[in-house]
Amino acid sequence: DSGVTQTPKHLITATGQRVTLRCSPRSGDLSVYWYQQSLDQGLQFLIHYYNGEERAKGNILERFSAQQFPDLHSELNLSSLELGDSALYFCASSPGGGLAGVDEQFFGPGTRLTVL
Amino acid sequence: GQNIDQPTEMTATEGAIVQINCTYQTSGFNGLFWYQQHAGEAPTFLSYNVLDGLEEKGRFSSFLSRSKGYSYLLLKELQMKDSASYLCAVRDRSSASKIIFGSGTRLSIRP
Repeated sequence: DSGVTQTPKHLITATGQRVTLRCSPRSGDLSVYWYQQSLDQGLQFLIHYYNGEERAKGNILERFSAQQFPDLHSELNLSSLELGDSALYFCASSPGGGLAGVDEQFFGPGTRLTVL
Repeated sequence: GQNIDQPTEMTATEGAIVQINCTYQTSGFNGLFWYQQHAGEAPTFLSYNVLDGLEEKGRFSSFLSRSKGYSYLLLKELQMKDSASYLCAVRDRSSASKIIFGSGTRLSIRP
C-alpha cells in the first residue's frame, strides 16, 4: 500500500459522458501527478500539480482538466468521453516539486475507466 | 523532444541474472528512473540515477552513462515474483517536472 488513494476503482460509462476521478496523496506529499495507461501505450504523463498550482502539462486533451484543492487532494475531469479514453488512470504523489533529485513518486492503485 | 527505447519483452530463468537496457534521447537530462509494474497494478519505484555509474540496491542494480544516453537495470538471483514490466523513465530538464516513461519491458521468468 503506497498511501495514495484513488476513487473509484472502476468506472463504466457511455460515450459523450463526463466523469471525475479523485486522488488523495500520501500524508505530507505536496505533488500530485496524473497518468494515463492504455493497453497499446505506455504510461503517459498528463499533468502535475504542486501545492495547488499547475507545474507541468503533458499531452493532455482539452476535454480533460484537473485541479488540486487546498487539502491537496486532486481531481481529474474527463468530458465528452470517447471509446479511446478507456484506460487505467493513475495518480502519483511525491514530497517535493519534482524538479530535481529522486523525489520518488508513489502511485495509487488506479481507476479503470471503460467507455462503452 | 524525448525518446526512450527499451526491449518489449524478455525471458529469463529463475535464479539467473538478466539485464534490461534502456536508451534515451533528451534535450536536457535530469535523472533516470526505473519502475516495476506487475500486471494490473501500480508502478513501484526501483531506482534513480542522475550521475554516471552503478547504483546497487539488494538484488537490483541500475547503471547510467549520460554520454551514451544509456542505462540498464540488472536483476540478480531471479525469482518468479520478478515477472513484471520494467519501466525506464527520464526527467528532462527542459520539461520541468515532467517524467517521460518508456513503453516498458515485459519480463517473464521461467522455472
